[in-house]
Amino acid sequence: KQEVTQIPAALSVPEGENLVLNCSFTDSAIYNLQWFRQDPGKGLTSLLLIQSSQREQTSGRLNASLDKSSGRSTLYIAASQPGDSATYLCAAMTGANSKLTFGKGITLSVRP
Amino acid sequence: DAGVIQSPRHEVTEMGQEVTLRCKPISGHDYLFWYRQTMMRGLELLIYFNNNVPIDDSGMPEDRFSAKMPNASFSTLKIQPSEPRDSAVYFCASSPWGDTQYFGPGTRLTVL
Repeated sequence: KQEVTQIPAALSVPEGENLVLNCSFTDSAIYNLQWFRQDPGKGLTSLLLIQSSQREQTSGRLNASLDKSSGRSTLYIAASQPGDSATYLCAAMTGANSKLTFGKGITLSVRP
Repeated sequence: DAGVIQSPRHEVTEMGQEVTLRCKPISGHDYLFWYRQTMMRGLELLIYFNNNVPIDDSGMPEDRFSAKMPNASFSTLKIQPSEPRDSAVYFCASSPWGDTQYFGPGTRLTVL
């Protein structure tokens, strides 16, 4: 059974810092790895999707990497801004069956 | 596009009552997912449909939960009878081909 872990549960940084959010998964036979953002009281917004054959994906100030062999993914946020404050969840799709296993998320606070 | 629409946004009910949550997926999306999010367990997949057919309901916690998708533009998740431990935020998500998922705003359910 796939398990996805995100540590720490919360992170507070000053504006402008470059930061890395970590995600680990137990079953390396993943189909893809996805990162989502969740704002308080809202649904999830898809940020990046990395296929199992890829090593990374980039969107603006966000870069996500995937290392299947070690069971790890990282989300890199460059030049963080207060508007980046949210909870970031990673999710692993194990097999082409559309089922996502989510981590519990990292709540990020970027201080002005 | 209005995105995934869920109703109601908030539901407060008493133990033993029937609860029906509703979802309208994005037009043209063939996949529909129901998730439950709690602080303790995080985000869990309950059931998903492909072309209105339930594909995997292994996440449905017990027989009190049922889900239907009578057509491509509507799905319901029903809890009967409801219990306090069912209190959670329930999300519906849709996807055009099963990988990138688009989430609705969620229904916050409180069972007293």
